[in-house]
Amino acid sequence: QVQLVESGGGVVQPGGSLRLSCAASGFTFNNYAMHWVRQAPGKGLEWVAFIRSDGSNKGYADSVRGRFTISRDNSKRKLFLQMDSLRPEDTAVYYCAKDRSASLQGGDYWGQGSLVMVSS
Amino acid sequence: DIQLTQSPSFLSASVGDRVTITCRASQDINIYLAWYQQKPGKAPKLLIYAASTLQSGVPSRFSGSESATEFTLTISSLQPEDFATYYCQQLNSYPYTFGQGTKLEIK
Repeated sequence: QVQLVESGGGVVQPGGSLRLSCAASGFTFNNYAMHWVRQAPGKGLEWVAFIRSDGSNKGYADSVRGRFTISRDNSKRKLFLQMDSLRPEDTAVYYCAKDRSASLQGGDYWGQGSLVMVSS
Repeated sequence: DIQLTQSPSFLSASVGDRVTITCRASQDINIYLAWYQQKPGKAPKLLIYAASTLQSGVPSRFSGSESATEFTLTISSLQPEDFATYYCQQLNSYPYTFGQGTKLEIK
């Protein structure tokens, strides 16, 4: 069955960096686009970043553009989110999600989430 | 950026009720709209994609429709497991914004 497992979250000081990973299994990873979505404590969902199946096209939320970088390693079936210049408002649970198709239709499988806390 | 406005933000209803949640886009998004259900402490679950197509395994009491820039999620007969928060998301253009959510509570 499809599984997405995030790792790499934790506590970091403002201005610091973290790299989230999402390990995928149970589907042909290199056929699907992927997303990162976050949810601050008690708040709604916020889309963060997107990458096409072959990594050729990437997009970012305005709030993270220039600080976060999405990437993927199809040979290792892994998705990444490099987060630099972290701010307290980046504190959230970060989910990776598989898009249900090669063209954009939404996330049909999600990981369990990885908590990132930015605090001094 | 495209804004999505969900209404209502809170909805109180009873088991067996028919409920409708609306998501209005600030500009044309074709049919690139998805609906999700989220329960506390859990990841979102895809219900509807392409505005009106039911995701596999989702009960048929859920349906979606669209009219220009207004999108609707309807639950035809509420079940106890349907009390949750619902979000719409547009995937027409970056950034792929979510609506602010609709919390559906038991009356």
